[in-house]
Amino acid sequence: NAGVMQNPRHLVRRRGQEARLRCSPMKGHSHVYWYRQLPEEGLKFMVYLQKENIIDESGMPKERFSAEFPKEGPSILRIQQVVRGDSAAYFCASSPRSSGIANTGELFFGEGSRLTVL
Amino acid sequence: AQTVTQSQPEMSVQEAETVTLSCTYDTSENNYYLFWYKQPPSRQMILVIRQEAYKQQNATENRFSVNFQKAAKSFSLKISDSQLGDTAMYFCAFMKHRDDKIIFGKGTRLHILP
Repeated sequence: NAGVMQNPRHLVRRRGQEARLRCSPMKGHSHVYWYRQLPEEGLKFMVYLQKENIIDESGMPKERFSAEFPKEGPSILRIQQVVRGDSAAYFCASSPRSSGIANTGELFFGEGSRLTVL
Repeated sequence: AQTVTQSQPEMSVQEAETVTLSCTYDTSENNYYLFWYKQPPSRQMILVIRQEAYKQQNATENRFSVNFQKAAKSFSLKISDSQLGDTAMYFCAFMKHRDDKIIFGKGTRLHILP
């Protein structure tokens, strides 16, 4: 099954450490989206990337968070100096069309990475 | 800004019954998409059904159908002949036409009881 792959599935960090979450989109997809899900909440958009390009990062906190999607390799969501409030499930999704999800509206999600900050 | 509201945090129904999940949204846009996504306990989100706002006909996918009321900004999901595998969180979602952000509601946790 060549679905959206996220790793690690679970990550525990102490306050002040760095967290790196990885996402490999479905084969042939070049658009990646990151969403954050807090407990008992819906998913909140964070960032939308194409290869080597950040298209929309309007949902990304201004500090400590960054994302990239290099020409080769997975997309990385990086959280520096984590705090307890960063504890959440982080979902990656990819879309099948060259123009993003505007044409189909369908996102294909990974199983998420659950970050716990102690 | 667009918002999506799901007023039912949790629901339970018996297997084989029909259940309707409510969703309302707020937007000033005329052209947009609406979705219902399912998140089973395994946590992988799956698209259940999609509705394009310019289409008057309600979308249907097997046992899943929607009641789209554009004027009322309402988009409910009906699950007929519910099955145990329908147990999941269901998220209503909105996307502006030609946009790339999907906005999700807080979800309704649905339990199908044997």
